[in-house]
Amino acid sequence: AQKVTQAQTEISVVEKEDVTLDCVYETRDTTYYLFWYKQPPSGELVFLIRRNSFDEQNEISGRYSWNFQKSTSSFNFTITASQVVDSAVYFCALTTGNQFYFGTGTSLTVIP
Amino acid sequence: NAGVTQTPKFQVLKTGQSMTLQCAQDMNHNSMYWYRQDPGMGLRLIYYSASEGTTDKGEVPNGYNVSRLNKREFSLRLESAAPSQTSVYFCASSRGYVGAEAFFGQGTRLTVV
Repeated sequence: AQKVTQAQTEISVVEKEDVTLDCVYETRDTTYYLFWYKQPPSGELVFLIRRNSFDEQNEISGRYSWNFQKSTSSFNFTITASQVVDSAVYFCALTTGNQFYFGTGTSLTVIP
Repeated sequence: NAGVTQTPKFQVLKTGQSMTLQCAQDMNHNSMYWYRQDPGMGLRLIYYSASEGTTDKGEVPNGYNVSRLNKREFSLRLESAAPSQTSVYFCASSRGYVGAEAFFGQGTRLTVV
């Protein structure tokens, strides 16, 4: 069975602080993909990044960075120098085939 | 660039009423999905359609039916609405190969009273 755990339900940071959102996954499949989505207050879900199980290279995109570690089954997301516009719910997801399995989300509030 | 379009955006139903949520995508995607989002529960899969002509149950299918009308459209029907079906419903689509990201509609906020 596939499972995604986001233990942090809510996080509040002051603007310009760095923040890391944790994601731990479970799967017995050797081929899988991990995703991060952002859900701003407007409600839509926005795709941020995808990683496959064979690519453990970390990725940086502007203020965002992702750390994928198969040894700990984790795919963590760091926002550097957070901004108010980063306030949203962030979901981690896993797929091994047709279905996507989502975590319960982490609500991030960036305080000005 | 419409992407995934859901209608309606808001709906209030009385217990026992029926309704159909409509979803259409214009990206020529093979796979389509219906999720519900509830506080503290994340997104849970109701039904999905891996390709035109096929549908499969997800994690929480009870009380729902779906129809993949054609490649573009995937509808979700509540035959007899219950208060437990109060939720935000999201339709999504993807190209259908393993690892393809899902694109989501704007959501439908449904309240059953």
